[in-house]
Amino acid sequence: DQQVKQNSPSLSVQEGRISILNCDYTNSMFDYFLWYKKYPAEGPTFLISISSIKDKNEDGRFTVFLNKSAKHLSLHIVPSQPGDSAVYFCAAKPGNTPLVFGKGTRLSVIA
Amino acid sequence: KAGVTQTPRYLIKTRGQQVTLSCSPISGHRSVSWYQQTPGQGLQFLFEYFSETQRNKGNFPGRFSGRQFSNSRSEMNVSTLELGDSALYLCASSYGTTGNTIYFGEGSWLTVV
Repeated sequence: DQQVKQNSPSLSVQEGRISILNCDYTNSMFDYFLWYKKYPAEGPTFLISISSIKDKNEDGRFTVFLNKSAKHLSLHIVPSQPGDSAVYFCAAKPGNTPLVFGKGTRLSVIA
Repeated sequence: KAGVTQTPRYLIKTRGQQVTLSCSPISGHRSVSWYQQTPGQGLQFLFEYFSETQRNKGNFPGRFSGRQFSNSRSEMNVSTLELGDSALYLCASSYGTTGNTIYFGEGSWLTVV
């Protein structure tokens, strides 16, 4: 039973364009959401987070949108750069419990 | 400030052996979590420790165990290794139990042959 789903295993985007990574969740108790980026042979790096009381959070080129009614969040990267090529994990947690991760989306930014 | 440090980075073990992995959290962080990553399975939660106490445990067999020391450093142990235990084992730390963001180390790559 996957509570956090990233339905696109991979995504290719041209350099300079927008990358949109999507994530769906089933647990309505989730109140905090995060995105991590992972390069091969490295641990995941925290990117950006959003609380359930907000619907948008920005940090430089990265913006996360949260649609609670649809139980959906997305990560927008604008403009995409070749260095953004990595696996992106969506994660969520209900209160003071461990993070639940999606299976990841591999982003390839093509120069 | 130093990040989360995991040792060893790479190791190869034989089926039936046991292995111990070590994790030093970010200075000042008191909560340590462990995750297993296998191809196509994302990150699966193993356990979480805070102040030397296990606070949460994932759905893994009893062969997987862990502990936390008074200096917040943590170890995890896998006994009677199976081929399916081959994975990247990730340790993450956060300031407290209510800390929502966890920060990962680079992981320990375990290959069981």
